[in-house]
Amino acid sequence: DAKTTQPNSMESNEEEPVHLPCNHSTISGTDYIHWYRQLPSQGPEYVIHGLTSNVNNRMASLAIAEDRKSSTLILHRATLRDAAVYYCIPGGGGADGLTFGKGTHLIIQP
Amino acid sequence: NAGVTQTPKFQVLKTGQSMTLQCAQDMNHNSMYWYRQDPGMGLRLIYYSASEGTTDKGEVPNGYNVSRLNKREFSLRLESAAPSQTSVYFCASIQTPGGLIVATNEKLFFGSGTQLSVL
Repeated sequence: DAKTTQPNSMESNEEEPVHLPCNHSTISGTDYIHWYRQLPSQGPEYVIHGLTSNVNNRMASLAIAEDRKSSTLILHRATLRDAAVYYCIPGGGGADGLTFGKGTHLIIQP
Repeated sequence: NAGVTQTPKFQVLKTGQSMTLQCAQDMNHNSMYWYRQDPGMGLRLIYYSASEGTTDKGEVPNGYNVSRLNKREFSLRLESAAPSQTSVYFCASIQTPGGLIVATNEKLFFGSGTQLSVL
């Protein structure tokens, strides 16, 4: 599995955009970049994923660097409900699922 | 739309007791997983099952056994619980082409977790 580096925590204000960075310099050419988040006292939930091109969905946008060694999850207008731990997971290289690191704890201030 | 259902939600055991955590999914997924999450930590894989009838060890399998009862159900058993097994346990499932995650384009679905305390 590719090694990932994410900030331990980030803080943002409500209704402002949030950019969550992730470095994955050892990613293989066929690995997707997955983002999941875990709200307090819940299991992780899917946010977005991509391979090479930037991706958008109703929850977020994913910006992938041209060399694929880093990516950024963008929450366009953070709400208090977006306070969670966000996991960046490059992978899918085997039958043993996805490897969840410690992620970034996102704090949203009202 | 049940998704992934785990039971029980909470459990307290004494050291040496045994118990089975149940997990069922109704999405016809072929791969299922058991993770544990300790406070302030990421999720660590205990066991997984890439298809019905197969199971494999993950990162932290010691002290656990699993059974893939059928395509829907994947149970996790603690034969002799220890305080070090106090954790939150999550079951997850995913549909993977051919039973292997090569470059999966599918989503992993998680249950709501089981909070286990071993005294």
